[in-house]
Amino acid sequence: GAGVSQSPSNKVTEKGKDVELRCDPISGHTALYWYRQSLGQGLEFLIYFQGNSAPDKSGLPSDRFSAERTGGSVSTLTIQRTQQEDSAVYLCASSFQTGPQTYEQYFGPGTRLTVT
Amino acid sequence: KNQVEQSPQSLIILEGKNCTLQCNYTVSPFSNLRWYKQDTGRGPVSLTIMTFSENTKSNGRYTATLDADTKQSSLHITASQLSDSASYICVVSARTNAGKSTFGDGTTLTVKP
Repeated sequence: GAGVSQSPSNKVTEKGKDVELRCDPISGHTALYWYRQSLGQGLEFLIYFQGNSAPDKSGLPSDRFSAERTGGSVSTLTIQRTQQEDSAVYLCASSFQTGPQTYEQYFGPGTRLTVT
Repeated sequence: KNQVEQSPQSLIILEGKNCTLQCNYTVSPFSNLRWYKQDTGRGPVSLTIMTFSENTKSNGRYTATLDADTKQSSLHITASQLSDSASYICVVSARTNAGKSTFGDGTTLTVKP
C-alpha cells in the first residue's frame, strides 16, 4: 500500500508549547525510526522501535523528548516545552524489521517544525 | 566513536558528465552501508545497500563500491542528469546495534545544463 506518512507536514509553535508529531509506517513493518535534520545538517538518529519497544533511546536530545508506539504501528514523537533549537525537520522511517540481516528503510516526507 | 565522513561537501558538474562521491567510516563491527538520495524538501530514498561480502552494487546509473578493509565506499554517477541534483547521504550500521545507523553529512550535487 502507501508509503510512510507523517503529520502534520508543517508545524509552527511558540516557545514553551508541547508538540506531537505522528508517523504511520508501511503496513507490516515492525521497525520504526525517528530522525532529526536541522537546516543544512545531516540526519541525526533519535530513537528506534522494534515492535512497541524502544531498544535504543540514546539519540533523544533531552528529557523533553519522548516517543511511543502502540499496536506495533503508529508512533508519536512528543516534544515538551519546545525551544528554538528544536526547529528542524523530523523524519520517520520504517523497515520490515531490524536485525543482523539488512532491511531497507523507507522514509516519510518529514514534519517541518518551527519554534518561534 | 562511530563516524561517517563524506567528501566532497558539495560538487557542481555539467549534465552528461560522470562523478564520484566518497565515504569513509569508522563504524565497527560493520554490518551494512547504504547510499541515499535526498531531494530538497523530501525524505531520503535508498539507492544501494551493501553488506560486508559485497564490493559493488549498481542501481541504474548509480554504482556503489565498498572496501571493507580500508573502510571506504564510493558512489559513482554515470551520465549525470539534471534530476540527479540532490544530497547524497552515506549511512553505516554496526552489527551490534542494527537499529541505530550513523549518517554522513551528505554531498550536495548540482548538475547544470
